[in-house]
Amino acid sequence: SQTIHQWPATLVQPVGSPLSLECTVEGTSNPNLYWYRQAAGRGLQLLFYSVGIGQISSEVPQNLSASRPQDRQFILSSKKLLLSDSGFYLCACNREERPETQYFGPGTRLLVL
Amino acid sequence: AQKVTQAQTEISVVEKEDVTLDCVYETRDTTYYLFWYKQPPSGELVFLIRRNSFDEQNEISGRYSWNFQKSTSSFNFTITASQVVDSAVYFCALMQNYGQNFVFGPGTRLSVLP
Repeated sequence: SQTIHQWPATLVQPVGSPLSLECTVEGTSNPNLYWYRQAAGRGLQLLFYSVGIGQISSEVPQNLSASRPQDRQFILSSKKLLLSDSGFYLCACNREERPETQYFGPGTRLLVL
Repeated sequence: AQKVTQAQTEISVVEKEDVTLDCVYETRDTTYYLFWYKQPPSGELVFLIRRNSFDEQNEISGRYSWNFQKSTSSFNFTITASQVVDSAVYFCALMQNYGQNFVFGPGTRLSVLP
């Protein structure tokens, strides 16, 4: 079965600083990859998804961007963080044998001060 | 458009009580998938169950059971004899066919008190 790693687990950054969150997947090939954000006490919002290397779709216009440099690597970035970027960021992927189901990583907690 | 409603924002029960979490969905597609995820305090979403729109058979897994009713567009989740470890936020989600994204409900926070 696949394993999803997210790094770092927690991050505190000042407003205006850059951001790079990494998600890597093991145990599956050519997965669809997803970035979600969960604001404090709220539901999940899909930010980006990718069906392959270099292919990124954005669901919500925002201060963030995503890249997929390798098949099993998905990166979430920002050039200048805003206070509203604080939240819990979750990476998800599907399995080849179950493309309709998403499995989630452990998440990264980001606090922008 | 797709939409998932979880009307119960928070529920508190005492250990060993049964509790049902409601989920109502909206979709125009005839083929879709419904999901339940559990988010414990650690934050990671744990996949619990997936049902497709052609399978209305209810499912039981240990203390968990799911009631899928297309007539009322509901996919309710019942925990029998709740335990403190069941305390978490539970999300219901909907995906159309093999669409690229899920639509999540707002979640229900369940607190099981000892």
